[in-house]
Amino acid sequence: AQRVTQPEKLLSVFKGAPVELKCNYSYSGSPELFWYVQYSRQRLQLLLRHISRESIKGFTADLNKGETSFHLKKPFAQEEDSAMYYCALSGGSQGNLIFGKGTKLSVKP
Amino acid sequence: DGGITQSPKYLFRKEGQNVTLSCEQNLNHDAMYWYRQDPGQGLRLIYYSQIVNDFQKGDIAEGYSVSREKKESFPLTVTSAQKNPTAFYLCASSIIRGEGEAFFGQGTRLTVV
Repeated sequence: AQRVTQPEKLLSVFKGAPVELKCNYSYSGSPELFWYVQYSRQRLQLLLRHISRESIKGFTADLNKGETSFHLKKPFAQEEDSAMYYCALSGGSQGNLIFGKGTKLSVKP
Repeated sequence: DGGITQSPKYLFRKEGQNVTLSCEQNLNHDAMYWYRQDPGQGLRLIYYSQIVNDFQKGDIAEGYSVSREKKESFPLTVTSAQKNPTAFYLCASSIIRGEGEAFFGQGTRLTVV
């Protein structure tokens, strides 16, 4: 079954500390992975996707097919990074995006 | 200004009543989706549609209905059969079903009173 797992509901770090939001997936094929972010009072929006291999707002994510992971990383967290982060998998049996349950990132001053 | 618009932002419903949530997009996207967002549950798919006059059930379709009479519109009706309708509802669209970036509306918070 296709599934996305985000093991941490809440991740709290201090400003300037490194941050890693974990995402593991289950999919029999070549998935397309995304990270979406939802800032307070804003709509859910795409942060980055694995095929673009970009760094957005200092965040990067590498697809590790051996470990079936797509962890989101940033070397130095900022307060404005505080938000809800969702890992998503495209290519489900119904052809839709499958989301993890989300991780709330809180960056303290 | 292109985008996806949901209305209303807040909606209150009495028990036993049906209520319809609006979703409109001017992005010329073929695929549209409805998700339900509950705390600690992530986003769960209710219905999706990839072309006009066609739609498919998602993981939690019971108690909901949709229509896709126009490419730009994908309204969701929450019926009285939905046992726990109080939630935050998100509409999204993408160019092709399951591929590429999905664009989301700002959501509708439905409360049953």
